[in-house]
Amino acid sequence: DQQVKQNSPSLSVQEGRISILNCDYTNSMFDYFLWYKKYPAEGPTFLISISSIKDKNEDGRFTVFLNKSAKHLSLHIVPSQPGDSAVYFCAARRNQGGKLIFGQGTELSVKP
Amino acid sequence: NAGVTQTPKFQVLKTGQSMTLQCAQDMNHNSMYWYRQDPGMGLRLIYYSASEGTTDKGEVPNGYNVSRLNKREFSLRLESAAPSQTSVYFCASRWGANEQFFGPGTRLTVL
Repeated sequence: DQQVKQNSPSLSVQEGRISILNCDYTNSMFDYFLWYKKYPAEGPTFLISISSIKDKNEDGRFTVFLNKSAKHLSLHIVPSQPGDSAVYFCAARRNQGGKLIFGQGTELSVKP
Repeated sequence: NAGVTQTPKFQVLKTGQSMTLQCAQDMNHNSMYWYRQDPGMGLRLIYYSASEGTTDKGEVPNGYNVSRLNKREFSLRLESAAPSQTSVYFCASRWGANEQFFGPGTRLTVL
Protein backbone atom coordinates (compact mmCIF):
# COMPACT_ATOMS: atom_id res chain seq x y z
CA ASP A 1 0.00 0.00 0.00
CA GLN A 2 1.81 3.07 -1.31
CA GLN A 3 0.64 5.87 0.98
CA VAL A 4 2.75 8.52 -0.76
CA LYS A 5 2.94 8.48 -4.54
CA GLN A 6 4.93 10.41 -7.09
CA ASN A 7 3.44 9.30 -10.37
CA SER A 8 5.95 10.99 -12.66
CA PRO A 9 9.30 9.19 -12.65
CA SER A 10 10.93 11.99 -14.63
CA LEU A 11 10.46 15.60 -15.71
CA SER A 12 12.43 17.71 -18.16
CA VAL A 13 12.25 21.53 -18.28
CA GLN A 14 14.18 24.38 -19.86
CA GLU A 15 16.41 26.59 -17.77
CA GLY A 16 14.51 29.64 -16.54
CA ARG A 17 11.10 27.99 -16.78
CA ILE A 18 8.97 26.64 -13.93
CA SER A 19 9.36 23.07 -12.67
CA ILE A 20 6.31 21.52 -11.01
CA LEU A 21 6.74 18.25 -9.15
CA ASN A 22 3.65 16.49 -7.85
CA CYS A 23 2.93 14.16 -4.97
CA ASP A 24 -0.29 12.45 -3.85
CA TYR A 25 -1.04 10.80 -0.54
CA THR A 26 -3.80 8.59 0.78
CA ASN A 27 -3.60 8.90 4.57
CA SER A 28 -5.61 11.87 5.85
CA MET A 29 -3.79 11.58 9.20
CA PHE A 30 -0.55 12.93 7.72
CA ASP A 31 0.15 16.30 9.33
CA TYR A 32 3.53 17.32 7.94
CA PHE A 33 5.08 17.05 4.51
CA LEU A 34 8.65 17.44 3.31
CA TRP A 35 10.60 17.57 0.07
CA TYR A 36 14.10 16.16 -0.24
CA LYS A 37 16.56 16.58 -3.08
CA LYS A 38 19.08 13.91 -4.01
CA TYR A 39 22.12 14.15 -6.27
CA PRO A 40 23.77 10.97 -7.61
CA ALA A 41 26.08 9.24 -5.14
CA GLU A 42 24.94 11.52 -2.31
CA GLY A 43 22.38 11.23 0.45
CA PRO A 44 19.07 13.12 0.27
CA THR A 45 19.09 16.66 1.62
CA PHE A 46 16.13 18.48 3.11
CA LEU A 47 14.67 21.15 0.84
CA ILE A 48 11.38 22.53 2.14
CA SER A 49 8.42 21.47 4.25
CA ILE A 50 4.82 22.37 5.02
CA SER A 51 2.48 21.75 7.91
CA SER A 52 -1.04 20.52 7.24
CA ILE A 53 -2.43 23.73 8.77
CA LYS A 54 -0.97 25.73 5.88
CA ASP A 55 -1.58 25.61 2.16
CA LYS A 56 1.62 27.28 0.97
CA ASN A 57 5.21 27.66 2.08
CA GLU A 58 7.83 29.59 0.17
CA ASP A 59 11.63 29.63 0.42
CA GLY A 60 13.41 31.55 -2.28
CA ARG A 61 12.86 29.84 -5.63
CA PHE A 62 11.03 26.93 -4.00
CA THR A 63 7.34 26.90 -3.07
CA VAL A 64 5.33 23.98 -1.78
CA PHE A 65 1.55 23.94 -2.14
CA LEU A 66 -0.75 21.66 -0.16
CA ASN A 67 -4.32 20.80 -1.20
CA LYS A 68 -5.71 18.77 1.68
CA SER A 69 -9.09 18.09 0.09
CA ALA A 70 -7.35 16.53 -2.91
CA LYS A 71 -4.59 14.97 -0.78
CA HIS A 72 -2.08 16.52 -3.13
CA LEU A 73 1.06 18.56 -2.76
CA SER A 74 3.33 20.11 -5.31
CA LEU A 75 6.78 21.66 -5.40
CA HIS A 76 7.32 24.65 -7.70
CA ILE A 77 10.80 25.76 -8.67
CA VAL A 78 10.99 29.18 -10.34
CA PRO A 79 13.17 29.85 -12.21
CA SER A 80 14.66 26.42 -12.77
CA GLN A 81 18.43 26.15 -12.99
CA PRO A 82 20.67 23.35 -14.31
CA GLY A 83 21.93 22.80 -10.74
CA ASP A 84 18.38 21.83 -9.77
CA SER A 85 18.75 18.62 -11.80
CA ALA A 86 18.33 15.86 -9.21
CA VAL A 87 15.85 13.34 -7.87
CA TYR A 88 13.16 14.88 -5.67
CA PHE A 89 11.38 12.86 -3.00
CA CYS A 90 8.27 13.94 -1.16
CA ALA A 91 7.70 12.54 2.32
CA ALA A 92 4.92 12.63 4.89
CA ARG A 93 4.60 11.93 8.60
CA ARG A 94 1.60 11.14 10.75
CA ASN A 95 2.50 12.67 14.11
CA GLN A 96 5.25 14.78 15.63
CA GLY A 97 8.47 12.83 15.63
CA GLY A 98 6.85 10.05 13.66
CA LYS A 99 8.40 8.05 10.89
CA LEU A 100 8.57 9.51 7.40
CA ILE A 101 6.89 7.79 4.47
CA PHE A 102 8.62 8.57 1.16
CA GLY A 103 7.34 8.66 -2.39
CA GLN A 104 9.16 6.93 -5.24
CA GLY A 105 10.94 10.07 -6.40
CA THR A 106 10.87 12.21 -9.56
CA GLU A 107 14.04 12.82 -11.54
CA LEU A 108 14.18 16.45 -12.68
CA SER A 109 16.38 17.44 -15.60
CA VAL A 110 16.86 21.16 -16.27
CA LYS A 111 18.33 21.76 -19.69
CA PRO A 112 20.43 24.87 -20.44
CA ASN B 1 31.31 18.70 12.11
CA ALA B 2 30.97 15.76 9.70
CA GLY B 3 27.20 15.26 10.07
CA VAL B 4 26.21 11.65 9.30
CA THR B 5 28.98 9.31 8.15
CA GLN B 6 28.61 5.80 6.76
CA THR B 7 31.12 3.05 6.12
CA PRO B 8 31.83 1.39 3.81
CA LYS B 9 30.84 3.33 0.68
CA PHE B 10 30.73 0.22 -1.49
CA GLN B 11 30.56 -3.49 -0.72
CA VAL B 12 30.17 -6.68 -2.73
CA LEU B 13 29.07 -9.82 -0.91
CA LYS B 14 28.35 -13.37 -1.90
CA THR B 15 25.02 -14.92 -0.99
CA GLY B 16 25.11 -16.12 2.62
CA GLN B 17 27.91 -13.84 3.77
CA SER B 18 27.37 -11.45 6.65
CA MET B 19 28.38 -7.86 7.15
CA THR B 20 27.71 -4.79 9.26
CA LEU B 21 27.07 -1.32 7.91
CA GLN B 22 28.29 1.41 10.22
CA CYS B 23 26.69 4.80 10.81
CA ALA B 24 27.72 7.62 13.11
CA GLN B 25 26.44 11.16 13.68
CA ASP B 26 28.10 14.01 15.53
CA MET B 27 25.05 16.28 15.83
CA ASN B 28 23.84 14.92 19.20
CA HIS B 29 20.57 13.73 17.64
CA ASN B 30 18.43 11.32 19.58
CA SER B 31 16.76 9.49 16.69
CA MET B 32 18.50 7.50 13.98
CA TYR B 33 17.19 5.57 10.97
CA TRP B 34 18.21 3.04 8.35
CA TYR B 35 16.64 3.14 4.88
CA ARG B 36 17.12 1.28 1.66
CA GLN B 37 16.62 2.85 -1.76
CA ASP B 38 15.64 0.73 -4.73
CA PRO B 39 14.68 1.88 -8.24
CA GLY B 40 11.03 2.88 -8.41
CA MET B 41 10.53 2.23 -4.69
CA GLY B 42 11.74 5.41 -3.06
CA LEU B 43 13.24 5.21 0.42
CA ARG B 44 11.90 2.47 2.66
CA LEU B 45 12.51 2.38 6.39
CA ILE B 46 14.27 -0.76 7.65
CA TYR B 47 14.76 0.00 11.36
CA TYR B 48 14.89 3.06 13.53
CA SER B 49 16.01 4.06 16.99
CA ALA B 50 14.06 6.80 18.74
CA SER B 51 16.70 7.11 21.44
CA GLU B 52 19.79 5.40 22.79
CA GLY B 53 18.89 1.91 23.95
CA THR B 54 15.73 1.52 21.85
CA THR B 55 15.17 0.10 18.38
CA ASP B 56 12.02 -0.61 16.37
CA LYS B 57 11.12 -2.24 13.09
CA GLY B 58 10.26 -0.16 10.08
CA GLU B 59 8.57 -1.14 6.84
CA VAL B 60 11.07 -3.76 5.59
CA PRO B 61 12.98 -5.28 8.58
CA ASN B 62 13.23 -8.90 7.46
CA GLY B 63 16.81 -10.10 7.03
CA TYR B 64 18.31 -7.26 9.06
CA ASN B 65 19.29 -6.53 12.64
CA VAL B 66 20.40 -3.28 14.23
CA SER B 67 22.36 -2.09 17.23
CA ARG B 68 22.24 1.37 18.79
CA LEU B 69 25.70 1.20 20.30
CA ASN B 70 25.52 4.66 21.89
CA LYS B 71 23.97 8.00 21.05
CA ARG B 72 26.34 8.52 18.10
CA GLU B 73 26.35 5.11 16.43
CA PHE B 74 23.67 2.95 14.83
CA SER B 75 24.75 -0.16 12.92
CA LEU B 76 22.84 -2.38 10.49
CA ARG B 77 23.73 -6.07 10.20
CA LEU B 78 22.97 -8.54 7.45
CA GLU B 79 23.41 -12.01 8.94
CA SER B 80 23.03 -13.98 5.71
CA ALA B 81 22.99 -11.73 2.66
CA ALA B 82 20.61 -12.44 -0.22
CA PRO B 83 20.52 -10.95 -3.75
CA SER B 84 17.25 -9.21 -2.81
CA GLN B 85 19.28 -7.11 -0.38
CA THR B 86 21.23 -5.51 -3.21
CA SER B 87 20.45 -1.85 -2.70
CA VAL B 88 21.72 1.53 -1.59
CA TYR B 89 21.52 1.93 2.17
CA PHE B 90 21.13 5.30 3.86
CA CYS B 91 21.47 6.16 7.50
CA ALA B 92 19.79 9.28 8.86
CA SER B 93 19.42 11.14 12.12
CA ARG B 94 16.69 13.51 13.13
CA TRP B 95 16.95 17.13 14.15
CA GLY B 96 13.95 18.87 15.66
CA ALA B 97 10.53 17.40 15.15
CA ASN B 98 10.68 16.55 11.51
CA GLU B 99 13.75 16.99 9.32
CA GLN B 100 16.15 14.11 8.96
CA PHE B 101 19.81 14.41 7.95
CA PHE B 102 21.11 11.67 5.69
CA GLY B 103 24.53 10.11 5.25
CA PRO B 104 26.12 9.59 1.82
CA GLY B 105 24.96 5.98 1.50
CA THR B 106 26.45 2.50 1.13
CA ARG B 107 26.04 0.76 -2.21
CA LEU B 108 25.73 -2.98 -1.55
CA THR B 109 25.73 -5.71 -4.17
CA VAL B 110 24.95 -9.31 -3.23
CA LEU B 111 25.96 -11.88 -5.85
